[in-house]
Amino acid sequence: KNQVEQSPQSLIILEGKNCTLQCNYTVSPFSNLRWYKQDTGRGPVSLTIMTFSENTKSNGRYTATLDADTKQSSLHITASQLSDSASYICVVSAGGTSYGKLTFGQGTILTVHP
Amino acid sequence: DVKVTQSSRYLVKRTGEKVFLECVQDMDHENMFWYRQDPGLGLRLIYFSYDVKMKEKGDIPEGYSVSREKKERFSLILESASTNQTSMYLCASSPRIPTDTQYFGPGTRLTVL
Repeated sequence: KNQVEQSPQSLIILEGKNCTLQCNYTVSPFSNLRWYKQDTGRGPVSLTIMTFSENTKSNGRYTATLDADTKQSSLHITASQLSDSASYICVVSAGGTSYGKLTFGQGTILTVHP
Repeated sequence: DVKVTQSSRYLVKRTGEKVFLECVQDMDHENMFWYRQDPGLGLRLIYFSYDVKMKEKGDIPEGYSVSREKKERFSLILESASTNQTSMYLCASSPRIPTDTQYFGPGTRLTVL
């Protein structure tokens, strides 16, 4: 069964600090992996997308990594800001006969305190 | 900018009522999706549509139906609302192929009493 597991479930950090969120998946065959940011009361917004051949992708202070061999991804946030407080969702897209089928992680809730 | 709008941000209905949730996208996207989001369960796909008048069941279609009469509009229908359908409902659209980035609406928080 295709699954996406995220850790930690929640995280509290101080403004200015760095943090790393984890995503492990069992989706096979793999097509791509996205990280979404969801602010409270809003829909998710795409941050990064990585395909099999990419192992790093940056979007400002957000850097995603992908290890397709171990089926792990991480999202690193540098110099956190209060506006980074949100839920971060890892989404893996399948390939092959399940092409396009998405499996969502449960999300990591990040809280940034001043 | 892609814009996906949903008809209501908050909705309160009674058990047994018929409920319509509407979603409109303004970017001529082929694909549209309905999800529900519950704490601890993440987003779960209810139905999706890849063309006008076409629909496909997602992972949890029971108790729901959909309608796509126009390309820009995708409606989710709860024929007889039940308390276990209290949830956040999110609509999304994507351009063409299934792996395209999905653009989400702001969500409708539905409470069924």
